[in-house]
Amino acid sequence: KAGVTQTPRYLIKTRGQQVTLSCSPISGHRSVSWYQQTPGQGLQFLFEYFSETQRNKGNFPGRFSGRQFSNSRSEMNVSTLELGDSALYLCASSSTPTSTDTQYFGPGTRLTVL
Amino acid sequence: AQSVTQPDIHITVSEGASLELRCNYSYGATPYLFWYVQSPGQGLQLLLKYFSGDTLVQGIKGFEAEFKRSQSSFNLRKPSVHWSDAAEYFCAATNTNAGKSTFGDGTTLTVKP
Repeated sequence: KAGVTQTPRYLIKTRGQQVTLSCSPISGHRSVSWYQQTPGQGLQFLFEYFSETQRNKGNFPGRFSGRQFSNSRSEMNVSTLELGDSALYLCASSSTPTSTDTQYFGPGTRLTVL
Repeated sequence: AQSVTQPDIHITVSEGASLELRCNYSYGATPYLFWYVQSPGQGLQLLLKYFSGDTLVQGIKGFEAEFKRSQSSFNLRKPSVHWSDAAEYFCAATNTNAGKSTFGDGTTLTVKP
């Protein structure tokens, strides 16, 4: 079974631009979560989707948004990029949002904002 | 506020030596607890998890962790470290959804030959 895939793996943008990152969960998984990983802030929860509905959202500004499609694939969008948005963005999938379900992480998208 | 603390930012051990990575949590109720490993350029891989029951949990790659409620701790151990264990290790907790975990800042493990 294929793992979680994230595209693109690397991305360079300039301040003020916007970016869209994609995540394809493991086949059959309907829950997708996004995390931002930076050296200074560590791993921080962005949002969680299940069956095309956002169930939880972390403490990030409205410039960060996401969505989930009917095939469970998810995208996250960051508008008006800032230097501080440079980070590794990780996507994780699980069968359901149940706390006991194992999350499987993708390799991440490395975003650099210049 | 809910939090997970990993007191050691960096640990160096010799190959073949034992390892213990510390993790403390602060939650209103006992959360579900996890340990993940991240190799450079990779995502996170689940090593083990604790939900309830036996406080000593066995995981993959020869790792185990012990839950101690009285100390709010969930320390990761391995009896004999291999060079391939060099990576960053994250402790995480959740009491709501699997996808809304709180992570510690991570401990980087270096293995000396």
